[in-house]
Amino acid sequence: GENVEQHPSTLSVQEGDSAVIKCTYSDSASNYFPWYKQELGKRPQLIIDIRSNVGEKKDQRIAVTLNKTAKHFSLHITETQPEDSAVYFCAASITDQFYFGTGTSLTVIP
Amino acid sequence: SAVISQKPSRDICQRGTSLTIQCQVDSQVTMMFWYRQQPGQSLTLIATANQGSEATYESGFVIDKFPISRPNLTFSTLTVSNMSPEDSSIYLCSVEDLAREQYFGPGTRLTVT
Repeated sequence: GENVEQHPSTLSVQEGDSAVIKCTYSDSASNYFPWYKQELGKRPQLIIDIRSNVGEKKDQRIAVTLNKTAKHFSLHITETQPEDSAVYFCAASITDQFYFGTGTSLTVIP
Repeated sequence: SAVISQKPSRDICQRGTSLTIQCQVDSQVTMMFWYRQQPGQSLTLIATANQGSEATYESGFVIDKFPISRPNLTFSTLTVSNMSPEDSSIYLCSVEDLAREQYFGPGTRLTVT
């Protein structure tokens, strides 16, 4: 089955700096890559996604890039704010199966 | 996106008992899933709830321990049977829409004593 690795497991940045979280996947058949943000005690929320026919997608301060050849995708958050502090999960999907990364705990220091 | 509710939101149960968690969606969806999330951990898929047929379980999860029902396209239940403290976790249902975007319910926090 699919194996998704996520790095780093923890990340601290100063407010206003950028944060980058990287994920790799093993199955070249994966074609949908969502990112979720989970605040403490709350459900995971879909924040951005990318499909395999696209190399980059941006939504305001967040962007996701996909390199199908290398089988990795990344989440980029620019101009970080304290409210960006949360755990972020990447996932890779084949048809209707979703495989999650192990999560990155992001702390934005005011 | 779909609005998903779960009941109960939390429960404390005794070892050896069973708990049934309900998941209700405000619109018909094709795919419904059940996940477990232990404290500080990632999301682990338990099973895919199939409407009108037996659920599809992931490796390490069996129907006798986690029976699932899905009588229609908007409702599913997960039962955690013969509970032990190791079953203490957050259980989340999720749905996938036609765009393959997945949304999660608020979760059920289960503590087994």
